[in-house]
Amino acid sequence: KNEVEQSPQNLTAQEGEFITINCSYSVGISALHWLQQHPGGGIVSLFMLSSGKKKHGRLIATINIQEKHSSLHITASHPRDSAVYTCAVRKPHQGAQKLVFGQGTRLTINP
Amino acid sequence: DTEVTQTPKHLVMGMTNKKSLKCEQHMGHRAMYWYKQKAKKPPELMFVYSYEKLSINESVPSRFSPECPNSSLLNLHLHALQPEDSALYLCASRPLAFSSYNEQFFGPGTRLTVL
Repeated sequence: KNEVEQSPQNLTAQEGEFITINCSYSVGISALHWLQQHPGGGIVSLFMLSSGKKKHGRLIATINIQEKHSSLHITASHPRDSAVYTCAVRKPHQGAQKLVFGQGTRLTINP
Repeated sequence: DTEVTQTPKHLVMGMTNKKSLKCEQHMGHRAMYWYKQKAKKPPELMFVYSYEKLSINESVPSRFSPECPNSSLLNLHLHALQPEDSALYLCASRPLAFSSYNEQFFGPGTRLTVL
């Protein structure tokens, strides 16, 4: 079983819909990242969280450390949000050098 | 300057060629990373340099040879690659290697095709 699991693997929605992508992890972590990658493109770091909630524009990320769960929400989704969204965790101490990646959620927003 | 740059953007090479990928950042970051990403898969860590010293090598074949000549520059030297090495090669950097609480910045990647 992967240490980081995301759901859903694929998500198709209509423009304007509210989107939720979930991430569960089974290890102790010191930080969690949400990353975005457009087709053929490089990776952009959207959020780094160690507790609570962060908001940037239409994107909101939450984390519940006790439940080992994080969510990424997109409000008023737009076709340009179509991308792969990946959750990645950083373990404490020596493990801090590495990110452990989920398998990614492929999001398609249709106009 | 708040970005990681990578050159070239695309590279096509034969199995007998020698080529190099270059990554540069001028943010004063002291940890730099090479990842390999195959289509529809998450990135796989290859190497980590911390304070210009190789701190992690994820059992990468010797046909990939990293080099960190200074704190701003990271190279990946390629020799005698195989077609299955075709992938997107991503560079990343962080301010500090061993601290959990700092962001990781990714470059745009070099798309490598081995014929």
